Formats: sequence, structure tokens, C-alpha cells
Amino acid sequence: SAVISQKPSRDICQRGTSLTIQCQVDSQVTMMFWYRQQPGQSLTLIATANQGSEATYESGFVIDKFPISRPNLTFSTLTVSNMSPEDSSIYLCSVEVLNSGNTIYFGEGSWLTVV
Amino acid sequence: AQSVAQPEDQVNVAEGNPLTVKCTYSVSGNPYLFWYVQYPNRGLQFLLKYITGDNLVKGSYGFEAEFNKSQTSFHLKKPSALVSDSALYFCAVRDMEYGNKLVFGAGTILRVKS
Repeated sequence: SAVISQKPSRDICQRGTSLTIQCQVDSQVTMMFWYRQQPGQSLTLIATANQGSEATYESGFVIDKFPISRPNLTFSTLTVSNMSPEDSSIYLCSVEVLNSGNTIYFGEGSWLTVV
Repeated sequence: AQSVAQPEDQVNVAEGNPLTVKCTYSVSGNPYLFWYVQYPNRGLQFLLKYITGDNLVKGSYGFEAEFNKSQTSFHLKKPSALVSDSALYFCAVRDMEYGNKLVFGAGTILRVKS
């Protein structure tokens, strides 16, 4: 498995502001993803974070709203821009680790509340 | 497109009884199937997976799952439930044809009563 550290773990944000979530992994990572889990809902993929290039976004998610960086193999950031109450969610970093047999592991998530 | 369905929003079981959480899948190609558990106020924890091989796969915390190709099912099971098993369980399929992402079911709340 892997140790996946996300910061912040929780935050309360004012509407209209932006927040950047960091994800750091302690193992060699082959793939890195960002998911959103809205209250009482399942997980939805926001984007695949690509090292050194633009992320690949899923339908319904755009770079202006959710800019993502991945400067190296083990670190990525997700920014939630111009937040509204509808952005209140858990944001989860997930990774496939080298030699993990196609298993994807998740961090503890960043629990954001927008007021 | 790959998808999974969890037909039960909630499963209730008495402690010590066997439990089953159901999952069916729809995939093109070979299925890569996973179960995850989410405890309150926590992230997702990997329980087990089926990629190939034996249809009965064993995972963490005494859980196992049975892959059934003819019924396109991947039900999660445990012979004897614990109160501490109470959590939200997600079935997922990995879409190896498009982006290698995980596609999740809606989730099933498991409540184990003492």
C-alpha cells in the first residue's frame, strides 16, 4: 500500500475564495487521481493528474474551476476556485502505486465546508 | 461504459450473523473489481479486489467476495459480522479502457446491531 497525506484535512471556507489541497505520497506512484464526494453521495472522478502536463478532466469538470498541478511523481495539488456552498464536499486524492497490482489507494480526504 | 450497481442502500444484520453486500457490474472486456469501506469521517480503505484467478477472493478484516461471471456479480461477504463492521461500503470497477479510473457504485450502508 502507500501512505497518502492530504492537507488540509478539514476547512471552512468563505464563498468566493479559493483553496488548494495538497497530496503527498510516500511511494512510487504510477497514476494519481482526484475525486469528489458530495454529502451523502458516492465518489466522482474530477480528473487524472498527469506529471508535468495538464490534467485530464472528466465531463462536467473544468480546469478554471479545479486547477491541478503535479510537478513530480509523488505530489499533486487540487485548487477549488471561487467556491460556492455547492462545492462543500470531501476531496480525495487517490493513487496507483508501482507494483500494487492495479489497486488504487485513497487518502483520508479533505473535508471542505463553504459558507 | 463500465459501471457497477449496488441495489441496496442499507443492509442490517445482527452481530455474529453472516453478511452479504451486493454488487453487480457491467463491463466490456475483463472486469477489474474492487471493494472499499468508508468509516465515519474517514477516507476510503481498500478491502479486496478481483483481477483474475480464483472466484473467491479474500481481503482485509475477514471479508471475502465471490466473483460470478454468469451473474455479473461481485458480492461482498463475511461469515460473522461485528458491530465494528458498520460503515459505508463501495463496489467499484476499474475502467482499463478509458483512463484507468475507478467507477463507483452508489454505496451500501452496513449496520450491524448487537
